[in-house]
Amino acid sequence: QSVLTQPPSVSGAPRQKVTISCSGSSSNIGKNYVSWYQQLPGTAPKLLIYDNNKRPSGIPDRFSGSKSGTSATLGITGLQTGDEADYFCATWDSSLSAGVFGGGTKLTVL
Amino acid sequence: QLQLQESGPGLVKPSQTLSLTCTVSGGSISGSSYYWGWIRQPPGKGLEWIAMIYYSGNTYYSPSLKSRVTISVDSSKKQFSLRLNSVTAADSAIYYCARHLHDANLGLTGRYYYYYMDVWGKGTTVTVSS
Repeated sequence: QSVLTQPPSVSGAPRQKVTISCSGSSSNIGKNYVSWYQQLPGTAPKLLIYDNNKRPSGIPDRFSGSKSGTSATLGITGLQTGDEADYFCATWDSSLSAGVFGGGTKLTVL
Repeated sequence: QLQLQESGPGLVKPSQTLSLTCTVSGGSISGSSYYWGWIRQPPGKGLEWIAMIYYSGNTYYSPSLKSRVTISVDSSKKQFSLRLNSVTAADSAIYYCARHLHDANLGLTGRYYYYYMDVWGKGTTVTVSS
């Protein structure tokens, strides 16, 4: 059972937009910054969003992040088949004094 | 360009100790606000945070694994290591090492943290089996 809650799967058609939610509590998302990771099949996770809504160099602006209260959202616009991957949210949990992850969301581009 | 590389046995017997090392290249292991840590992923499952360590030795552990895990760092070799004892089949996973940005600010309601993992190794598969 993950500390952060994500939907197991989402899907969308090419060129459409999808959002992936990540729900936590006052000791993690409610207090600290959220990051998002993309894991393509058979590869290591890659940082996609950090500090709630910032993109590392090289990440296209089709990917965006936001946070409100104890929930965070990853948005992906202009869906491409290459976006099919697992997406994970993460943050610091101040009560656990540890990093925590969401269970992951599998994105299917129909 | 900073790179991380995991190394260690791919097969460990039940009840024994899993030992992995991550070697850092292309950059310093002693950068401010950067920790070095481990994450694992059982087959077909999600990511599980294990532990992280600062170059000076400050550590954080997952509460669920703390009793069995030790993380250590050798700055002179630019390496950090994970030991997980009393392993079972449930510890079979891909183990990733990563660089963790961990920093804090003091706000009106207390301390809040910046935290993310920006550089990852490719991962190493560990199977626990007799």
